[in-house]
Amino acid sequence: SHVLTQPPSVSVAPGETARVTCGGNNIGGKNVHWYQQKPGQAPVLVIHYDSDRPPGIPERFSGSNSGDTATLTISRVEAGDEADYHCQVWDSPTDHYVFGTGTKVTVL
Amino acid sequence: EVQLVQSGAEVKKPGESLKISCKGSGYSFTNYWIAWLRQMPGKGLEWIGVIYAGDSETRYSPSFQGQVTISVDKSIETAYLQWNSLEASDTAMYYCARPQTGHSFNIWGQGTKVTVSS
Repeated sequence: SHVLTQPPSVSVAPGETARVTCGGNNIGGKNVHWYQQKPGQAPVLVIHYDSDRPPGIPERFSGSNSGDTATLTISRVEAGDEADYHCQVWDSPTDHYVFGTGTKVTVL
Repeated sequence: EVQLVQSGAEVKKPGESLKISCKGSGYSFTNYWIAWLRQMPGKGLEWIGVIYAGDSETRYSPSFQGQVTISVDKSIETAYLQWNSLEASDTAMYYCARPQTGHSFNIWGQGTKVTVSS
């Protein structure tokens, strides 16, 4: 089955850019979705179809996907962006959903 | 408003059975799938399985196949996740979520915390 690897943590200063990667074999051939999860809350979809933002998600959130790596980019990071971020794909051969290992983004 | 509302927190002993629920509202319940996901303390999200509310077609992650049962009662627009014999390792937060076209989850329940302890 598909395995998605994320760095356990990313630290960034306010106003800087945070990049969270999601690695998987030929992940560029799949649609990647990203979720933000704050402590004690359910996840929230922030990017779908690799780079599309759902309504209400700030333009500071963007995504890209190519080869073996998908990336979530958070520009002009704010304190409120501190959260866990999870990538996710749907593995069509098996009809299974697969999540990444999760990344904690800390705003310094 | 489209929403999924889950049942409340549970505290159980090893070997006991449990059934938690997820009620949909604000949309045509039988036209969508509902998934169940697990999040163990301090860990990432894991997909357990998914059920189509219209005809109860169900798919399970190999990691959970045979360990849990997913079902639906479309007359009351509610999906369920069930255990016959809980173990301490089942202690986790469980979420239901509705997948949309493209297989992302845009609607989530608030989560049900399950604690299994002797």
